[in-house]
Amino acid sequence: KAGVTQTPRYLIKTRGQQVTLSCSPISGHRSVSWYQQTPGQGLQFLFEYFSETQRNKGNFPGRFSGRQFSNSRSEMNVSTLELGDSALYLCASSPGGISSTDTQYFGPGTRLTVL
Amino acid sequence: DQQVKQNSPSLSVQEGRISILNCDYTNSMFDYFLWYKKYPAEGPTFLISISSIKDKNEDGRFTVFLNKSAKHLSLHIVPSQPGDSAVYFCAASGASGGSYIPTFGRGTSLIVHP
Repeated sequence: KAGVTQTPRYLIKTRGQQVTLSCSPISGHRSVSWYQQTPGQGLQFLFEYFSETQRNKGNFPGRFSGRQFSNSRSEMNVSTLELGDSALYLCASSPGGISSTDTQYFGPGTRLTVL
Repeated sequence: DQQVKQNSPSLSVQEGRISILNCDYTNSMFDYFLWYKKYPAEGPTFLISISSIKDKNEDGRFTVFLNKSAKHLSLHIVPSQPGDSAVYFCAASGASGGSYIPTFGRGTSLIVHP
């Protein structure tokens, strides 16, 4: 089975712009979760989508949003970028999502740099 | 306020010896714990988990120990191999509101010297 893929792998944007990141889960997995990894805060949960519905949400401002399509692919959008949004954005897929203890499989991440 | 702490940012071990990575948590509602390994330019990979009803779980060279009274868990790697060199993340979760949103530590970088 192919693993979780994320595109693009690297992205450079300037403050105030918006960005869209994409995640394709493992085939058959209905849950996609997004995480932000920074050196200061470690890995932090952004939100989870399951069957096209946002099921769980972390403590991030409304500038961070996402969606999931019928084929379980997910996109994450960050609007009005700030310098502090520079991070590695990881997505993870699992069959049952974080309402279970199913193993999450992570993609390689998208490295976002905001200048 | 960090609910999951990995107090050692790095650990250096000789090949063949034991590596012990530690993790402390503060939230007594956590009842499921995981360890992930991360190589550069790759996403974290699940290693091993333990639920609060156990105090030990073993998988090959990897063993996780849970001390609930001390709110402490540790990952033992025996014997350590150079390929184990990676960043190790501890994560904890609890069934709050029907979900297991994981809280991660900041990671410990393990270097295994040949």
